[in-house]
Amino acid sequence: GESVGLHLPTLSVQEGDNSIINCAYSNSASDYFIWYKQESGKGPQFIIDIRSNMDKRQGQRVTVLLNKTVKHLSLQIAATQPGDSAVYFCAENSGGYQKVTFGTGTKLQVIP
Amino acid sequence: ETGVTQTPRHLVMGMTNKKSLKCEQHLGHNAMYWYKQSAKKPLELMFVYNFKEQTENNSVPSRFSPECPNSSHLFLHLHTLQPEDSALYLCASSDHRANTGELFFGEGSRLTVL
Repeated sequence: GESVGLHLPTLSVQEGDNSIINCAYSNSASDYFIWYKQESGKGPQFIIDIRSNMDKRQGQRVTVLLNKTVKHLSLQIAATQPGDSAVYFCAENSGGYQKVTFGTGTKLQVIP
Repeated sequence: ETGVTQTPRHLVMGMTNKKSLKCEQHLGHNAMYWYKQSAKKPLELMFVYNFKEQTENNSVPSRFSPECPNSSHLFLHLHTLQPEDSALYLCASSDHRANTGELFFGEGSRLTVL
């Protein structure tokens, strides 16, 4: 069936370095791809999204890249900070009406 | 503060108990959701409500019974649950006019079934 999956369960980066979190998807019909951040004890929080007709979108310290050829999505975090430590989920919206499917998550650990 | 409030934050119940989870959103949204989050599993969509009408039931067992009395409130009634139902139950809301997938989540209700 359709799926959204993550390459790595845990990613450790040094504070100040850039982080790259990757995601593979299989549903070519998705309209939007989204990244969420979930801190311990909290619900997921929207970070950034990208529409399927785009290949790059930038936010504050974050950039999302979409490669439709290989069905790959990535989240880049510049100058990673301790507050970035969390689980990051990629997700896709393919149902036309907020039917959002989530991947398994990557845990980002920032080393001070 | 996300604008979505869930109560209780923690709940322990036996398999024969009946309890309810409550969600309230103060964002003026008209779509509300229940998700289940288990350890090492993706978030699983359970139910979707739009303008108080259920538009999605993702093959959820009948021991979970949702209720949406108005666009700001969502309940999940629980009865005769199983230990494998222990999980974090997340409520979310969204602007029905947006189609991007941006959901606003509460902090969740951690459920333990003994």
